[in-house]
Amino acid sequence: GIQVEQSPPDLILQEGANSTLRCNFSDSVNNLQWFHQNPWGQLINLFYIPSGTKQNGRLSATTVATERYSLLYISSSQTTDSGVYFCAVDLAGANSKLTFGKGITLSVRP
Amino acid sequence: SAVISQKPSRDICQRGTSLTIQCQVDSQVTMMFWYRQQPGQSLTLIATANQGSEATYESGFVIDKFPISRPNLTFSTLTVSNMSPEDSSIYLCSVEGTGGHETQYFGPGTRLLVL
Repeated sequence: GIQVEQSPPDLILQEGANSTLRCNFSDSVNNLQWFHQNPWGQLINLFYIPSGTKQNGRLSATTVATERYSLLYISSSQTTDSGVYFCAVDLAGANSKLTFGKGITLSVRP
Repeated sequence: SAVISQKPSRDICQRGTSLTIQCQVDSQVTMMFWYRQQPGQSLTLIATANQGSEATYESGFVIDKFPISRPNLTFSTLTVSNMSPEDSSIYLCSVEGTGGHETQYFGPGTRLLVL
């Protein structure tokens, strides 16, 4: 099956710092999403981004489908950005089933 | 977007018992999915809940352990049967936006602890 690898596995930042989270995937995909799981377990949609670049406030994401990777940028990080960031992909030819990476645990310190 | 609710939000159960989790969506959707997140782990798809037909299970998950119902286009249930401590997880349902291969939205999850 498709492999989804996220790096780094853990990240500690000082408030105000910038960061880049990476997601590599092993096959062509129909869908790629970034999620933030908050400390209460809620999965929050950040981006639906099978290709191209999107921005939403301090967050932006870029997916280069031909090279099978996606990047999530967090600028001017805040303590509320802490949590786990998941990348999930929907394999081309499959019926919308998402395969998740192992996640990146981000801790932003005041 | 879709608004999804799950009941219960959390439960503590004794081993050998069963728990049924409900998932309600505020709009009609074709595809609903059930995922499991074991402690400290990522999410794994259990099954796809199809309206009007049996659910489609992923490798490692069977209907006897995780029976699923999908009586209409806005509702589904997942039952965790004959529970053991290894079933302690967060169970989440998700739906896909209309049009196919669209954004998937997740419910708040059900935290299950089996003693």
